[in-house]
Amino acid sequence: GAGVSQTPSNKVTEKGKYVELRCDPISGHTALYWYRQSLGQGPEFLIYFQGTGAADDSGLPNDRFFAVRPEGSVSTLKIQRTERGDSAVYLCASSLMDGHGETQYFGPGTRLLVL
Amino acid sequence: AQSVTQLDSQVPVFEEAPVELRCNYSSSVSVYLFWYVQYPNQGLQLLLKYLSGSTLVKGINGFEAEFNKSQTSFHLRKPSVHISDTAEYFCAVSGAAGNKLTFGGGTRVLVKP
Repeated sequence: GAGVSQTPSNKVTEKGKYVELRCDPISGHTALYWYRQSLGQGPEFLIYFQGTGAADDSGLPNDRFFAVRPEGSVSTLKIQRTERGDSAVYLCASSLMDGHGETQYFGPGTRLLVL
Repeated sequence: AQSVTQLDSQVPVFEEAPVELRCNYSSSVSVYLFWYVQYPNQGLQLLLKYLSGSTLVKGINGFEAEFNKSQTSFHLRKPSVHISDTAEYFCAVSGAAGNKLTFGGGTRVLVKP
């Protein structure tokens, strides 16, 4: 079956611009996660959705970052006034439920480059 | 808070030789432990996970890991590697604060012929 998909695969933007990154989770998965992976590092948690609501947004670095999941399926990560330090691979993952130890399935990521 | 340390950033290994990737974690509560693999230009793929029960966990592609609570470790092993095992490997933990994963910095495995 189809896995987690993310679009675009690559995004180049200029400092100060606004960007949106999209995640399509596996059909039927209720939990959705966003992570950010900087070069040479492991992924870092940003935000987690259970259904339509953000259950934990403690990883968002500042108020320039925002994410939505209006219908409990597709999610969009929005970054305002991008900075060069936002350059990273943004990973999305989904899981069937939000129970502890539930396997998260990752998408291929969106590589964001802020010039 | 929970954290994960992968002690080796790079591990070169010859084909058909064994490999061990080290992972240590810290957490104030019970945790769930995971190993993910990331092939070049691909997403993370789950190799194996420990939730409870037997401390020796077998995963895909011949990998296994052993949970050691007293040493707070979850080292990954494979008795004989293939060229196709060249990838980056990430150890992760969840449990202290919901199901979100805390990852280590990764270990890059380069399998040489």
